[in-house]
Amino acid sequence: AQRVTQPEKLLSVFKGAPVELKCNYSYSGSPELFWYVQYSRQRLQLLLRHISRESIKGFTADLNKGETSFHLKKPFAQEEDSAMYYCALSGRSGFQKLVFGTGTRLLVSP
Amino acid sequence: DGGITQSPKYLFRKEGQNVTLSCEQNLNHDAMYWYRQDPGQGLRLIYYSQIVNDFQKGDIAEGYSVSREKKESFPLTVTSAQKNPTAFYLCASSNLGNGEQFFGPGTRLTVL
Repeated sequence: AQRVTQPEKLLSVFKGAPVELKCNYSYSGSPELFWYVQYSRQRLQLLLRHISRESIKGFTADLNKGETSFHLKKPFAQEEDSAMYYCALSGRSGFQKLVFGTGTRLLVSP
Repeated sequence: DGGITQSPKYLFRKEGQNVTLSCEQNLNHDAMYWYRQDPGQGLRLIYYSQIVNDFQKGDIAEGYSVSREKKESFPLTVTSAQKNPTAFYLCASSNLGNGEQFFGPGTRLTVL
């Protein structure tokens, strides 16, 4: 079964501290992994996807197939990073639905 | 901003009434989706459609119905059979074969 687990409902850090939002998945095959973000009063939007290997707003995420993880990291958190973050996966071939985790709220305090 | 629009932003319904949520996109995407977002539960897929006149049930389709008569439109009806309809509903669209989905601003439905 496809499943995405985000173990932390809330992650609270101070500005300038490193951030790691955890995401583990189960999938029988080669999945594609995503991180979506929802800032206050804004719509849900894609932050990054593992196949593009981009760093967006200072965030990076590496797919670890051995640990089946796709943790989101940023070395120095900013207050504007405060938002709801969702990890999601899909298959790679044909039409594939997205399966979302339950989300982690990141709160960055000054 | 355009792309995907949902209306209304807020919707109130009395128990026993059906209500329809609108979703329109001008991105020329083939696929469209409806999700329900509840605190602590993330996004759960209600229905999705890959092409016009075709749609499939998602994980929580009971009590909901959809139609896809036009490529741009994918309305969701919350029927009286849905036992706990109060929630935030999100519509999304994507190109086929591309996992990235684009989301609308959402509709918050409250059952009085």
